[in-house]
Amino acid sequence: DVKVTQSSRYLVKRTGEKVFLECVQDMDHENMFWYRQDPGLGLRLIYFSYDVKMKEKGDIPEGYSVSREKKERFSLILESASTNQTSMYLCAIDTRFGETQYFGPGTRLLVL
Amino acid sequence: GESVGLHLPTLSVQEGDNSIINCAYSNSASDYFIWYKQESGKGPQFIIDIRSNMDNRQGQRVTVLLNKTVKHLSLQIAATQPGDSAVYFCAENRDTGRRALTFGSGTRLQVQP
Repeated sequence: DVKVTQSSRYLVKRTGEKVFLECVQDMDHENMFWYRQDPGLGLRLIYFSYDVKMKEKGDIPEGYSVSREKKERFSLILESASTNQTSMYLCAIDTRFGETQYFGPGTRLLVL
Repeated sequence: GESVGLHLPTLSVQEGDNSIINCAYSNSASDYFIWYKQESGKGPQFIIDIRSNMDNRQGQRVTVLLNKTVKHLSLQIAATQPGDSAVYFCAENRDTGRRALTFGSGTRLQVQP
């Protein structure tokens, strides 16, 4: 079974804080993705990575950065958290672009 | 613009009935489609997929139907159970570049006992 884990299920942060969300996979997959999910808007792609140290912007990268130093770990960074970044954050992996993506359990972030 | 969409935001069915959840897509170049189930507070879970060279595919209690003529995708759940209550959404790989899947916004299925 594909296993994707996220470091926290719930997080509460204050405006201006730097926030790290971590995603770890155990299947040696190359492609990893970060999405945010908001009511009525569905899943929106923030960033993705297709190899170590490689990253590409998704549809809504503003206010976010990512880090992929090791193949199994893909981190999403909120440089200075804002209230409009309150959301559910989902990490996913796939084996080939355009194929099935497998998701982690999600991190629900509240920025006060 | 092109998008993946759903016809019904909420579907309520009786336990034991069959459920049909629909999805419309507009990019005829998409060749792979996936249905996901997402329970409250959890990440999306893969249910079933289908390639564009097929019209239907069956899984355990689920069937996906693809009608390329009208660009329509549906998920049928047989003998719906309370545990099927969740949000269901479809995804397509409409971008042939490095960009991956495009997701619909979801339909909530409520199973009445």
